Amino acid sequence: DVKVTQSSRYLVKRTGEKVFLECVQDMDHENMFWYRQDPGLGLRLIYFSYDVKMKEKGDIPEGYSVSREKKERFSLILESASTNQTSMYLCASSRWANVLTFGAGSRLTVL
Amino acid sequence: DQQVKQNSPSLSVQEGRISILNCDYTNSMFDYFLWYKKYPAEGPTFLISISSIKDKNEDGRFTVFLNKSAKHLSLHIVPSQPGDSAVYFCAASGGFGNTPLVFGKGTRLSVIA
Repeated sequence: DVKVTQSSRYLVKRTGEKVFLECVQDMDHENMFWYRQDPGLGLRLIYFSYDVKMKEKGDIPEGYSVSREKKERFSLILESASTNQTSMYLCASSRWANVLTFGAGSRLTVL
Repeated sequence: DQQVKQNSPSLSVQEGRISILNCDYTNSMFDYFLWYKKYPAEGPTFLISISSIKDKNEDGRFTVFLNKSAKHLSLHIVPSQPGDSAVYFCAASGGFGNTPLVFGKGTRLSVIA
């Protein structure tokens, strides 16, 4: 089974802190994605990557950056966390962009 | 502008009956559609998909219907089971290549025993 592992299930951070969310997949997938899920807003794409060192902005990239130094790892970075970034963050990977395999999610609370 | 719309935030169905979840899209370039299911505190899991060259795809209790002229798709679950209670997301893609999925806002299905 394809496995997408998000390193932290629950995080609590303070406003202004730098936050790293790590995601690792073990099936040699080219494509990786970061979404956030909020009640009533569904899944919104933050950033995605089709190859190592490559990144593309999604629908809501403001306040976020990403890093993909290795094929299996895709990190989401919040340079200066704010309360409106409190959310469930979901990482996904795929061989083709259509069928995504998601991780279990990282619930971030910013106080 | 919302390209994929799930207009019903929630749906309650009795166990054993049919659940019908609906999804509308506006982008005529979409040609591949998927449904994902999400339990609380877990990531979404792929459920079923359909290409625009078909109008129906079936997998066990789950059937997806596509009406291209109406830009509408629906997911039918028959018979519904309590374990089907989850949030269901409709998603669409502009092609089999590397186009990110566009998701709807989701419909919370509750199957009552």
